Amino acid sequence: DVKVTQSSRYLVKRTGEKVFLECVQDMDHENMFWYRQDPGLGLRLIYFSYDVKMKEKGDIPEGYSVSREKKERFSLILESASTNQTSMYLCASTQLNEKLFFGSGTQLSVL
Amino acid sequence: DQQVKQNSPSLSVQEGRISILNCDYTNSMFDYFLWYKKYPAEGPTFLISISSIKDKNEDGRFTVFLNKSAKHLSLHIVPSQPGDSAVYFCGGEYGNKLVFGAGTILRVKS
Repeated sequence: DVKVTQSSRYLVKRTGEKVFLECVQDMDHENMFWYRQDPGLGLRLIYFSYDVKMKEKGDIPEGYSVSREKKERFSLILESASTNQTSMYLCASTQLNEKLFFGSGTQLSVL
Repeated sequence: DQQVKQNSPSLSVQEGRISILNCDYTNSMFDYFLWYKKYPAEGPTFLISISSIKDKNEDGRFTVFLNKSAKHLSLHIVPSQPGDSAVYFCGGEYGNKLVFGAGTILRVKS
């Protein structure tokens, strides 16, 4: 069965900390995505990657970076966490022109 | 600039009746549209999709209609069940990118 695993369900960090959110998929998918979900704003695309070491900015990349050193792993990095980055973060993966599979999400609180 | 808009933040429907969730888009490059359903504390799950060359796709109780000239699509759920209560996201896809709307909270009352 298809699986996208996000390393943490809940995370609490302090302003200014460097934060790593990890995502692993076991389906050998080419494409991986990071979204954040906020009330009234829906799912907004932060970054995506269509191959190892390849990345593209989504709609709201500011304050974030990503790393894809291996096909199965896509990391989201908050270089210096701020309170407006408190959100639910969702990782997803897909093969080209197929449906997205999402992880369960990481609820990040930045204090 | 929101390319996909779901203008109704919430919808309440009686069990057994039809639920209609609406979605408007601005990007003519979308070649695929998808609906996802999300329960609290879970990731979204795929529900149904439609290619831009079609105007209707049906899967059991779920039907998606696409009106390209109006840049509008809708999801119909018939009959609605209490287990359908969730947040529904409409998404448009072009190239490798999938963009979602703000979501609509559906509550089905028994």
